Amino acid sequence: EDQVTQSPEALRLQEGESSSLNCSYTVSGLRGLFWYRQDPGKGPEFLFTLYSAGEEKEKERLKATLTKKESFLHITAPKPEDSATYLCAVSTDSWGKLQFGAGTQVVVTP
Amino acid sequence: DADVTQTPRNRITKTGKRIMLECSQTKGHDRMYWYRQDPGLGLRLIYYSFDVKDINKGEISDGYSVSRQAQAKFSLSLESAIPNQTALYFCATSDSQGDTEAFFGQGTRLTVV
Repeated sequence: EDQVTQSPEALRLQEGESSSLNCSYTVSGLRGLFWYRQDPGKGPEFLFTLYSAGEEKEKERLKATLTKKESFLHITAPKPEDSATYLCAVSTDSWGKLQFGAGTQVVVTP
Repeated sequence: DADVTQTPRNRITKTGKRIMLECSQTKGHDRMYWYRQDPGLGLRLIYYSFDVKDINKGEISDGYSVSRQAQAKFSLSLESAIPNQTALYFCATSDSQGDTEAFFGQGTRLTVV
């Protein structure tokens, strides 16, 4: 059975304290791994897509990496505005269906 | 204006009532999806559609039905709402070309009492 597991469930950081979020997956035939950011009361907002092991993508203080079994979202020198829930999702077919992890809630304090 | 618009944003309904959640999009995408989000469970796929004539069940379709009225409109119905359908519902769209990202609406918070 396909599974997507995110850890930790929650993360509290001081402003400037870098950290990493983990997304491990056991799926057959990964086509893409997606990272989304979700703010309270809003829909998920797309961050990155990774397609193959070894791939990396960056956007401001965020960097996503992918191996054959997991993906990491690194947050470098976070600011309070980086506080959100970060969702990981995988696609295993050509229909665009996504299977999500439960998310990691990140709180960055000044 | 948002690319993916959901109405209503919030709804409280009684057990046994029929309710419809609506979604419209201006992205011009063929693919549309309905997901449900529950605390600790992440988002789960209810139904998806690739064009007006194509409707497919997702992981948790029991108790739900959908209608694709046009390329831009995709509605989710709960024929007889029950309390365990209380959740946050999201509509999403994606391009049919390749493995591209999905774009989500702002969500509908549904409470069944």
